[in-house]
Amino acid sequence: NAGVMQNPRHLVRRRGQEARLRCSPMKGHSHVYWYRQLPEEGLKFMVYLQKENIIDESGMPKERFSAEFPKEGPSILRIQQVVRGDSAAYFCASSRDRSIQETQYFGPGTRLLVL
Amino acid sequence: SQQGEEDPQALSIQEGENATMNCSYKTSINNLQWYRQNSGRGLVHLILIRSNEREKHSGRLRVTLDTSKKSSSLLITASRAADTASYFCATAVKTSYDKVIFGPGTSLSVIP
Repeated sequence: NAGVMQNPRHLVRRRGQEARLRCSPMKGHSHVYWYRQLPEEGLKFMVYLQKENIIDESGMPKERFSAEFPKEGPSILRIQQVVRGDSAAYFCASSRDRSIQETQYFGPGTRLLVL
Repeated sequence: SQQGEEDPQALSIQEGENATMNCSYKTSINNLQWYRQNSGRGLVHLILIRSNEREKHSGRLRVTLDTSKKSSSLLITASRAADTASYFCATAVKTSYDKVIFGPGTSLSVIP
């Protein structure tokens, strides 16, 4: 049973370009969470999605950032017109349901570098 | 302000010694989890302790939870160089769903 998969593992973008980060949850998991981690810091919650629905996007910047989790395919975190401050590691986690009794399983992360 | 904050920020010990990390939080929680992150890697779930539990063990790990003090501790006994990593506590906050909030972490270095 494959774990949470994220790609790409590393992404380099120039300022103003778009970044697309993909997350495939574990088999049987329909809940996806995105977190951002700046160097030497903890994870900051960004958005929580269930298939085709955004449940909580309170941690996501209002502009340039969007997320989706379509019925088919991976969840996508999209950052438009990237700036240097977007450089960070972006982690995706998945769970079987929304209860904390169900542990969130993390992917290896995508490290975004904006030049 | 942080919901969960680990203490100390950094800890350096000799192999074989015990390592203790603490986590304090502010609001009521459903439960608390500890995660480990090796440098440049993803997070690995270590242990979950529910709000009605006081202590939990898993191998060389021992976690305590004191809801009256809003604090938890993670003890790693007989540490090994491979335990070198950052350790995060994550609290499940009571909202419309169990929202998980991470603390800033404790960086543990175990010197061989």
